[in-house]
Amino acid sequence: DAGVIQSPRHEVTEMGQEVTLRCKPISGHNSLFWYRQTMMRGLELLIYFNNNVPIDDSGMPEDRFSAKMPNASFSTLKIQPSEPRDSAVYFCASSLRPGNEQFFGPGTRLTVL
Amino acid sequence: SQQGEEDPQALSIQEGENATMNCSYKTSINNLQWYRQNSGRGLVHLILIRSNEREKHSGRLRVTLDTSKKSSSLLITASRAADTASYFCATDAPDQTGANNLFFGTGTRLTVIP
Repeated sequence: DAGVIQSPRHEVTEMGQEVTLRCKPISGHNSLFWYRQTMMRGLELLIYFNNNVPIDDSGMPEDRFSAKMPNASFSTLKIQPSEPRDSAVYFCASSLRPGNEQFFGPGTRLTVL
Repeated sequence: SQQGEEDPQALSIQEGENATMNCSYKTSINNLQWYRQNSGRGLVHLILIRSNEREKHSGRLRVTLDTSKKSSSLLITASRAADTASYFCATDAPDQTGANNLFFGTGTRLTVIP
C-alpha cells in the first residue's frame, strides 16, 4: 500500500481564494482525520470521519472550513475564502478505527498571501 | 481537555546519551502511543502501550506507563543524530461524542548533537 496520499504537497494562494486539499486514506481504514499544524498552536484535530460519516467537527475553526468524505477512498478539506492565518501544514491521517494507530500522510503546506 | 503534555518541550543531548521524554494526561485511557515527526514530515507511529501494561520495549525504545500518576515516559537509549525529531504522545480515550479517539500532546523537540 502506498500509505496515505495527500495532494497537493504545497499550495500558495492569495487571500480570498478557495483552497481544496485532498486525501486518499489507506485502503481498508475506516477512520480519517484532518489535522492542522503550526508553530504557534501545534497539532490540532480539525475533524474526523468514521465510515465516511463526520463524527466530530468541533475543531473546525469556522464556517470557512468544510470537509467531505464522499466515499471510503477520498476526502477533501476546503477553505473558502482563505485568509493568511490559515497558513499551516495540513495533515490527513487514517486508521482502522478511532483510537488505533494512525498513519499520517506527508501533509500539504499551505501559504495564504 | 484530554490532550497530553510532554515534558520537556525541548531536549538537547550528545550522541550516545540516553534521552527521556515524559507525557502526562488527564483522564482514563485505553492505550497510550508515541509518535515521531521528522521536520516537514507526517507523524510516524513508534510504539503502543496498553493501560494494563507497565513497560514495553522496541529496539532502543523503552516506554513506561503509570496509570495511577497518569503519566508515561519514552526512553531512547544510545541516541543517534538520526533520532533528532519531535516526539508526541497520544492517548486513546473517549472524546466529546463518547467515541474513542486519539488525543495528541504538544510534543518534545529532541536534538541529538553528533
